[in-house]
Amino acid sequence: QSALTQPPSASGSLGQSVTISCTGTSSDVGAYNFVSWYQQHPGKAPKVMIYEVTKRPSGVPDRFSGSKSDNTASLTVSGLQAEDEADYYCTSYTSSNNVIFGGGTRLTVL
Amino acid sequence: QVQLQESGPGLVKPSQTLSLTCTVSGGSISNGDYYWNWIRQHPGKGLEWIGSIHYSGNSYYNPSLQSRVTISVDTSRKQFSLRLSTLTDADTAVYFCARLGFGEFFDSWGPGTLVTVSS
Repeated sequence: QSALTQPPSASGSLGQSVTISCTGTSSDVGAYNFVSWYQQHPGKAPKVMIYEVTKRPSGVPDRFSGSKSDNTASLTVSGLQAEDEADYYCTSYTSSNNVIFGGGTRLTVL
Repeated sequence: QVQLQESGPGLVKPSQTLSLTCTVSGGSISNGDYYWNWIRQHPGKGLEWIGSIHYSGNSYYNPSLQSRVTISVDTSRKQFSLRLSTLTDADTAVYFCARLGFGEFFDSWGPGTLVTVSS
C-alpha cells in the first residue's frame, strides 16, 4: 500500500488560513469517511486534531476543520497561531482493514 | 484517561529480533471497542503503521512488514507486544504504541521509544 500524498510543506502568516491536502485512492480516502488528522510537535507523540473527516475531539480549537471530496481530504487551519507550527499527518482506513498514513506536511507560521 | 507506555531495548543488533511491550493503564485492554497498534517513525521521516491487535487476538499487519512482524496481547498483564525479526539499520526508528477507537482514529499514544539497530 502506498502512502497518502500530502504536500511536504505549507505556510501561512499569523492570523491567516492554510489548507493541507491529503490524496488517496478509491480504496481508502474515497471509500470511507475514516480520515483523521494528527499534529506532531518535535519530539512528541502525534495528537489527533480531526477524525471521521470533519469531527474535532474535545479540546481541539474550532480553528481546525476537515473536509473531503472524492479521493482527497483536506485540513484547514484558520486564524493561524504560532503554536500551530508543527508536522501534520493524515490517515485513512483502507479496504484491507489497514490504516495508511500520509507522508506528512510541515506547517510553518510566518 | 487511558495511558500507554512503551518499553524495550534501545539498541539491538542487525539480524536480531526486536521485542517491545506497551503497557496500558487507566483503561481496559479488554474493551472490545478498541484495537491496539504499533506505529513507527524513522528519524526525520513520516509515520508508518506497523499493525494492530484486538484483545480477542484478531490482528492486522502492514503488508510491507507482514513477513517479519508479530503482535500479541496479554490481557492479564494489560500489555500488548511487538516482535520484528531480521532487523536491519532501516528499522531504526521511534516506535509508538497507540489505541485505535471507533471512527478508526488513534485517540491515545505512548510517548514513543527510540530503537537503534547497530552492531
